[in-house]
Amino acid sequence: DAKTTQPPSMDCAEGRAANLPCNHSTISGNEYVYWYRQIHSQGPQYIIHGLKNNETNEMASLIITEDRKSSTLILPHATLRDTAVYYCIVRVADFNKFYFGSGTKLNVKP
Amino acid sequence: DGGITQSPKYLFRKEGQNVTLSCEQNLNHDAMYWYRQDPGQGLRLIYYSQIVNDFQKGDIAEGYSVSREKKESFPLTVTSAQKNPTAFYLCASSSSFGGYTFGSGTRLTVV
Repeated sequence: DAKTTQPPSMDCAEGRAANLPCNHSTISGNEYVYWYRQIHSQGPQYIIHGLKNNETNEMASLIITEDRKSSTLILPHATLRDTAVYYCIVRVADFNKFYFGSGTKLNVKP
Repeated sequence: DGGITQSPKYLFRKEGQNVTLSCEQNLNHDAMYWYRQDPGQGLRLIYYSQIVNDFQKGDIAEGYSVSREKKESFPLTVTSAQKNPTAFYLCASSSSFGGYTFGSGTRLTVV
């Protein structure tokens, strides 16, 4: 019962910013948005998370709309190694369960 | 280095056999989880455990069993009742309300 909607795939040129959208229109006020990525046949890797403020770390930036119904993950300078499936996840408030949708396959091209 | 270890990396099972996948963490996390991933699909929750000696079914628990006798360990048994067990299995752990740390996965194939 994934609570998020993401496009199935996106392309990005190497060196350009990759902007990955996520819709979570049913999110509750105390539910966090998490982003993970999975490179083929590996375990998902944590990227960033947020509640309502924009967040930035060494990997990416997370922009959450004021109504919290959608967010965008930004990879400022995509490299070929950023090619992966990116999952946007809402952490369910009743317990720390993550429901994964199908994610967005980001293809970074030279 | 703290982390979560899954073994083996590859596992082959004959039809009708039970197999057990190992998951160990040294992160002192209370919660542990098992997910299944089929090719081209997202992750689906099999079982999760919030505390030692307690666990709950996820969305696709049929044909699987788990135990949580130690905080560090959460083994998953794929029983013969699981009709389509070939998949990539991922274990994760978390503190009570933190993000997940994932293992590197076990790829199970029925031969």
